[in-house]
Amino acid sequence: DAGVIQSPRHEVTEMGQEVTLRCKPISGHDYLFWYRQTMMRGLELLIYFNNNVPIDDSGMPEDRFSAKMPNASFSTLKIQPSEPRDSAVYFCASSVELGGGTKNIQYFGAGTRLSVL
Amino acid sequence: GQSLEQPSEVTAVEGAIVQINCTYQTSGFYGLSWYQQHDGGAPTFLSYNGLDGLEETGRFSSFLSRSDSYGYLLLQELQMKDSASYFCASRSGNYGQNFVFGPGTRLSVLP
Repeated sequence: DAGVIQSPRHEVTEMGQEVTLRCKPISGHDYLFWYRQTMMRGLELLIYFNNNVPIDDSGMPEDRFSAKMPNASFSTLKIQPSEPRDSAVYFCASSVELGGGTKNIQYFGAGTRLSVL
Repeated sequence: GQSLEQPSEVTAVEGAIVQINCTYQTSGFYGLSWYQQHDGGAPTFLSYNGLDGLEETGRFSSFLSRSDSYGYLLLQELQMKDSASYFCASRSGNYGQNFVFGPGTRLSVLP
């Protein structure tokens, strides 16, 4: 498997524009996570899905952020409208439970570095 | 809320052993994971403790004490390539899928 694939790798946009980040999880993984990483706030969980259904979006910072998972092999994170404070690296991860849930491993994509000017 | 504490920086020399501590305050705690992240890279999984005790994976070991809300990552036979940031992450929630990451410990391995 190619691992978790994110696109684009880099995105530069202007304030007020819509931004869409994309993620393809590892086949067979039933959990998908979106994280945001900044120097100030570290690595934050934004939302996660189980079998394509959003389970917990309490980490989504504002209504400007939305995430969807239309099928098991694709998810998007959208920011509309974008603001300079949204500049960060956004990671997507998928996970597999091992040992009947006694062990959990998350596999991260390479991330999307977003710069909002 | 959920929070984790780690030292911000650790420095050691090649071949040495280093321990990175992590304390957590997590309700509904399931377990503690450790991830490594090189500059400009993505976090990669190192180890997971769901039960008290020691887990060993090659040069890396991780320990958990639920009663003390404490864990550590032990890196042995340090190599230059181990220079990276190390994050502990607590797992909790109704489905055990709420992950909160610590602030990270930057490890510098010197020749």
